[in-house]
Amino acid sequence: AQSVTQPDIHITVSEGASLELRCNYSYGATPYLFWYVQSPGQGLQLLLKYFSGDTLVQGIKGFEAEFKRSQSSFNLRKPSVHWSDAAEYFCAVAIGGELSFGAGTTVTVRA
Amino acid sequence: EAQVTQNPRYLITVTGKKLTVTCSQNMNHEYMSWYRQDPGLGLRQIYYSMNVEVTDKGDVPEGYKVSRKEKRNFPLILESPSPNQTSLYFCASSFMGGLNTEAFFGQGTRLTVV
Repeated sequence: AQSVTQPDIHITVSEGASLELRCNYSYGATPYLFWYVQSPGQGLQLLLKYFSGDTLVQGIKGFEAEFKRSQSSFNLRKPSVHWSDAAEYFCAVAIGGELSFGAGTTVTVRA
Repeated sequence: EAQVTQNPRYLITVTGKKLTVTCSQNMNHEYMSWYRQDPGLGLRQIYYSMNVEVTDKGDVPEGYKVSRKEKRNFPLILESPSPNQTSLYFCASSFMGGLNTEAFFGQGTRLTVV
């Protein structure tokens, strides 16, 4: 069965600093990969997705993610964090439309 | 507007009192699913449905039922709720397979069972 691991439960970052959230997956083939963001009291919003092709994908809100097959990773990055980026972030993998989520990483942004 | 609608958004109920959380999507998606979100556990799938009258268990189906009589609706039923079902629930829908397997989520239902 596929699994998704987000090693960092909580990350605190200063406004304007860079951010990287880690995601590793376990599956025989390359699944579809997603990053979702959940702001407090809100549902999940898709940030970006990877299906194939260019391993560096651009998403909304200035986020990007890089797929590394050799490391089974799909890390999310943002060069300069804004206070509004404080949220919980979920990595997910999809096989045949079925999504499996990581446990999530909570990002706190300090002024 | 493309959306997944869940109702109610908030619910407090007592142990053993049957309840239903509704989910409806207007995108003609084949695939619908229910998740529960608990701190430190991320989202865990309860049940999913690949099309009308086709449902299957996810990772944590115990204590839940679902039905898929129509393509747009996928209600979650708790026949006899217990306090360990206190959680935040999300419904999601997507097309099956292909390149468009982006899931759309409802706003969530916060359920408290006392």
